[in-house]
Amino acid sequence: KNQVEQSPQSLIILEGKNCTLQCNYTVSPFSNLRWYKQDTGRGPVSLTIMTFSENTKSNGRYTATLDADTKQSSLHITASQLSDSASYICVVNSPTSGTYKYIFGTGTRLKFLA
Amino acid sequence: EADIYQTPRYLVIGTGKKITLECSQTMGHDKMYWYQQDPGMELHLIHYSYGVNSTEKGDLSSESTVSRIRTEHFPLTLESARPSHTSQYLCASSRTGTEKLFFGSGTQLSVL
Repeated sequence: KNQVEQSPQSLIILEGKNCTLQCNYTVSPFSNLRWYKQDTGRGPVSLTIMTFSENTKSNGRYTATLDADTKQSSLHITASQLSDSASYICVVNSPTSGTYKYIFGTGTRLKFLA
Repeated sequence: EADIYQTPRYLVIGTGKKITLECSQTMGHDKMYWYQQDPGMELHLIHYSYGVNSTEKGDLSSESTVSRIRTEHFPLTLESARPSHTSQYLCASSRTGTEKLFFGSGTQLSVL
């Protein structure tokens, strides 16, 4: 069964600290993997895309990794800011029947310790 | 910023009412989608369209219907709302070839 699992479910950190979110998938065939950021009450926004041949990609303070062999991805946030408070969703895109299917993870909720 | 708009942002209605959730995009995307999302849960696809006059049901069974008469417009209609329809509804669009999803801000629906 095609699945995307994310961990942890939620994470509480101090402002300025680094953190890493995990995504494991069992999707086949695989086209690409995207990380989305979803602020409370808003729609998800794409942060980065990883294709089969890419291992690491950075977008500002966000760095995504992909290990296509073990079917694992991570999103590393450097020097976290209060504006990073959101849910981070891992989405795997799978080609099927001439088009694409998106398989969503349940997300990791990032919160800050006041 | 994505040019995809949903209205209303919030809607509270009584059981049995007919409602239409609006979604429009100005990016010329050929593909459009409706997702349902409950708190802490993954997004579930309820309808999608790959072009004008093309609509399909998604993975999640839904009592709603959609139409795609114009490229930019993809409204979702509930003929008779029930409390079980209470949820957040997210509209998205993408262009064939890039497959990057652009989401609207969502409609939070509460059926009493």
